Amino acid sequence: AQKITQTQPGMFVQEKEAVTLDCTYDTSDQSYGLFWYKQPSSGEMIFLIYQGSYDEQNATEGRYSLNFQKARKSANLVISASQLGDSAMYFCAPRKGDKVIFGPGTSLSVIP
Amino acid sequence: DADVTQTPRNRITKTGKRIMLECSQTKGHDRMYWYRQDPGLGLRLIYYSFDVKDINKGEISDGYSVSRQAQAKFSLSLESAIPNQTALYFCATSDLGSTDTQYFGPGTRLTVL
Repeated sequence: AQKITQTQPGMFVQEKEAVTLDCTYDTSDQSYGLFWYKQPSSGEMIFLIYQGSYDEQNATEGRYSLNFQKARKSANLVISASQLGDSAMYFCAPRKGDKVIFGPGTSLSVIP
Repeated sequence: DADVTQTPRNRITKTGKRIMLECSQTKGHDRMYWYRQDPGLGLRLIYYSFDVKDINKGEISDGYSVSRQAQAKFSLSLESAIPNQTALYFCATSDLGSTDTQYFGPGTRLTVL
């Protein structure tokens, strides 16, 4: 089974600072994509950003960007200028074939 | 209006009862999914459907069944609920395209006593 590692169960960041959430995954697939989702305390799952394995540039979406290192099989999420509303669980989710596999998540708390 | 809706949003039921969770979408997507989330964990795939005539088992399908009544509707049934099926259930949809990104409903919180 595909293994996804999010080594930081809990993270803290000062408001307006940048934070990096780690994700590594184990896949033998040559072509795959990877998603990041946010889950605030209200419970909904919100799509943030996607990276294709053949994309030459790191994906960016507003304050979110990916530090994608294909050889290391890592795709870390960088949130710039953290806001209080960024406090949530964050899930790394690589695609395996037609399915998406979710990591265990990292809890982020933004401190005023 | 939300693109992906789930009913009910909360449900408390007793062991042995049959229960159905419903999902509807207005996104026009062909693909639909059911996941469950246990406290402190990521999502696990129960069933998925790539079109009305296509149903596939996911990682944890035992104890569950699904029905794809139309492109826009995908329901999940627990034939005889048990306490360890207490969880947060999510429906998601996607459209086969360049990214096949999944978009989620608000979730149904199910408690089996």
